[in-house]
Amino acid sequence: GAGVSQSPSNKVTEKGKDVELRCDPISGHTALYWYRQRLGQGLEFLIYFQGNSAPDKSGLPSDRFSAERTGESVSTLTIQRTQQEDSAVYLCASSLAPGSGEQYFGPGTRLTVT
Amino acid sequence: GQQLNQSPQSMFIQEGEDVSMNCTSSSIFNTWLWYKQDPGEGPVLLIALYKAGELTSNGRLTAQFGTTRKDSFLNISASIPSDVGIYFCAGQRYGTASKLTFGTGTRLQVML
Repeated sequence: GAGVSQSPSNKVTEKGKDVELRCDPISGHTALYWYRQRLGQGLEFLIYFQGNSAPDKSGLPSDRFSAERTGESVSTLTIQRTQQEDSAVYLCASSLAPGSGEQYFGPGTRLTVT
Repeated sequence: GQQLNQSPQSMFIQEGEDVSMNCTSSSIFNTWLWYKQDPGEGPVLLIALYKAGELTSNGRLTAQFGTTRKDSFLNISASIPSDVGIYFCAGQRYGTASKLTFGTGTRLQVML
């Protein structure tokens, strides 16, 4: 089966604009995660979805960041009023078991805010 | 947010050499994982460790879960050019099922 897919692969936007990033998890994976990776750094946890439970939003850096997921399918990460410090690769991952560390990552969306 | 300390930060090695890298934390983790990231791609899981003292192998890779639960080690034997990439450790705690805390990464470059 297909792995985790993300779109777009690259996004360049002007400061102040809103952007929406999409993630398609592996079919049957109940858990979905978003991470941010700044250049040359490790991954920072942003948000976690598990089934119909309330998402864990504790990693979102500001109220400009939000994410949604419909059931156990697609998720979108929205960044409003983008700032230059939002420039990073945004990675999505899914896992079969809830809260599993064995997460499968997509290729990421590289966001550049000019 | 918190990141685990990895060392070395980068390394150049000759093809065929063995490689060792480690990851340390000031606090305890219940699960340790090692991921590899190639340029332009997401991390790929290499090894997962679930028990203190556990030693697990995956081909030429061997990883250990430190007995203090505050560290982990990854060894690569007989390195080959495709081992090039960035290696990340990640830790997970009980009660924080949603979160992986990632290391700062070790960049490995292999000289032919």
